This record gives sequence, structure tokens and C-alpha cells, in this order.
Amino acid sequence: DQQVKQNSPSLSVQEGRISILNCDYTNSMFDYFLWYKKYPAEGPTFLISISSIKDKNEDGRFTVFLNKSAKHLSLHIVPSQPGDSAVYFCAASAAWINAGKSTFGDGTTLTVKP
Amino acid sequence: NAGVTQTPKFRILKIGQSMTLQCTQDMNHNYMYWYRQDPGMGLKLIYYSVGAGITDKGEVPNGYNVSRSTTEDFPLRLELAAPSQTSVYFCASSYTHRVGGHGYTFGSGTRLTVV
Repeated sequence: DQQVKQNSPSLSVQEGRISILNCDYTNSMFDYFLWYKKYPAEGPTFLISISSIKDKNEDGRFTVFLNKSAKHLSLHIVPSQPGDSAVYFCAASAAWINAGKSTFGDGTTLTVKP
Repeated sequence: NAGVTQTPKFRILKIGQSMTLQCTQDMNHNYMYWYRQDPGMGLKLIYYSVGAGITDKGEVPNGYNVSRSTTEDFPLRLELAAPSQTSVYFCASSYTHRVGGHGYTFGSGTRLTVV
């Protein structure tokens, strides 16, 4: 049973436009959500996170939105740049699930076309 | 500032062989993790450690062993390699078990092929 799902394996957008990556989760005990970015042949790097007590968190061009009632979060990248082309992983954690360790989705490959 | 260093970057093993994947971090993090990533899939937790001398199983521990004799090092041992262990292995560390707003620091990975 996959607790964190990224239903879109890939997304392609034009440079300058908005990229929206989605993530759904099933366990209401999750209380922290994170996004990681991964380039080929590199390890994932932490991008942005959000606590369950918030519904929005911004960091420059990146904004994460959390809808707890729908168990859904999304990552918005505005404006998208070719350097944003990478695989994006959604992850979730909770103190009482797996001792707080993160559970990852399968990733969405973002391609930003010049 | 090296962060998390993994060696080797690539390895081909024959079925039944054994090997150790090395992981070292220089950030004085107590918490360390081993994940594997199969093609098109997310990261699955193999083993983790909350400090020197303490380790525990994750989601997919079968076929692997770990040790944590120092804060810096967290090697992953594969005994009797099988084709199902073909994957990319990532080591990660964090200063808190509840990653919260900081996330894990990952190494660059070891790509292992078992033939």
C-alpha cells in the first residue's frame, strides 16, 4: 500500500510558465511534507517543506501548498527555468509512523523547454 | 565541506558475490539512512541508524546488513548478491530524526548491477 503517490510520472512545460507537481497521501498522521529535486547521476537534494499546521510555504520561485482535507499537496515553480528539469520527489513523515522517517513517492520528471 | 560521500559510484557483481557500500558524512549527524531506488520508483528505506552502535531495519532489509561503529561511517553490506538487488543505493544523513523543515542530505549514490 503506497502511502505517498505522485500520479504523474512526467510533466513538460515551457520556460517562463508555471510548473505544478502534485502529490497525494493516504495517512492522516503525516505532519511534515517535503520536496526533493534530483538530477541524473546525483543524489536527491532537499528543496522545500511544509508543516501540517500551514497551508502554504514559499521560497523564491518555489511554493508548496497543502490541502489536508484532500490529503493533497502541490509544488508550484514560477517562472519555470530549463535548469529546473529534474525528477521531483514528494516525501512525508510523522512522529508515529516508522519513527518519523520519510516515506517517498515515485517521483515526477519535469522537463522545462526553452 | 564534503557532506555525504559514497563509494564506489558504480559496481558490477556476480550472483552470489558480496560487497560493502561505503558511506561517510562529515556533518556530525547522528541519523543515517540507506535507501535504494529501482527504475521509475521512489526511494525505499533499507536500514537506518540513530547513532553509533544503534541500527534498525527499514522497509526492505532482506539481503543486507549494516553497522555503525562511528558517527561518521555507515557501511551497507550485501551478502550473496542477487539480481533483485540491482538498484541505485543512496546514503543519507540528518541531524534530527524528525526532519521537519530541513530534509536529509544525500550522497551521490552507488549504481549496482548484479549479473
